[in-house]
Amino acid sequence: GDSVTQMEGPVTLSEEAFLTINCTYTATGYPSLFWYVQYPGEGLQLLLKATKADDKGSNKGFEATYRKETTSFHLEKGSVQVSDSAVYFCALGNYGGSQGNLIFGKGTKLSVKP
Amino acid sequence: DVKVTQSSRYLVKRTGEKVFLECVQDMDHENMFWYRQDPGLGLRLIYFSYDVKMKEKGDIPEGYSVSREKKERFSLILESASTNQTSMYLCASGTAGANVLTFGAGSRLTVL
Repeated sequence: GDSVTQMEGPVTLSEEAFLTINCTYTATGYPSLFWYVQYPGEGLQLLLKATKADDKGSNKGFEATYRKETTSFHLEKGSVQVSDSAVYFCALGNYGGSQGNLIFGKGTKLSVKP
Repeated sequence: DVKVTQSSRYLVKRTGEKVFLECVQDMDHENMFWYRQDPGLGLRLIYFSYDVKMKEKGDIPEGYSVSREKKERFSLILESASTNQTSMYLCASGTAGANVLTFGAGSRLTVL
């Protein structure tokens, strides 16, 4: 079945460091790919998405490119801030019908130190 | 502007009690979901609903049931709570076929 694998954390970086969180997927067909972020004590928020191969999603300085050839959707940010400390989830949506379910990776906790 | 509201942020229950977790969305979404979040396991789908009175089992439905009597409300029910159901429960909603979900803030349940 469909699945998402993302790098295990926790990841600890200094402010202004470069961030990469790896995500790969297994899916039939042509899924949509997502990154969600969960700040402490809150629910998940959509960070960015890409709906087809070679699409780049971007938001708040974060980027991810949908690579069909490597089945990957790695999250990157050039210069992290303390406020980026959160848990990041990669997710896959592969149901074009009515259901709209998402399959999530296990999450990667990011801590950014001043 | 809260869009998905989970009625209880923190609950403490005893083994064997019946537990209701309520979720309401104000975006007129067709789809609603209940996920469970545990450290190291990520989010796992318990149940989802794509229409009023319709429900589908997710990956871990055992020990849970759901109710959707109105479009905006989706309830998760633990008929007889057990300690292994101690977890964070997340409700989400979405438009049919769109794959983009809006989440509530979560309900952290502790079963003693």
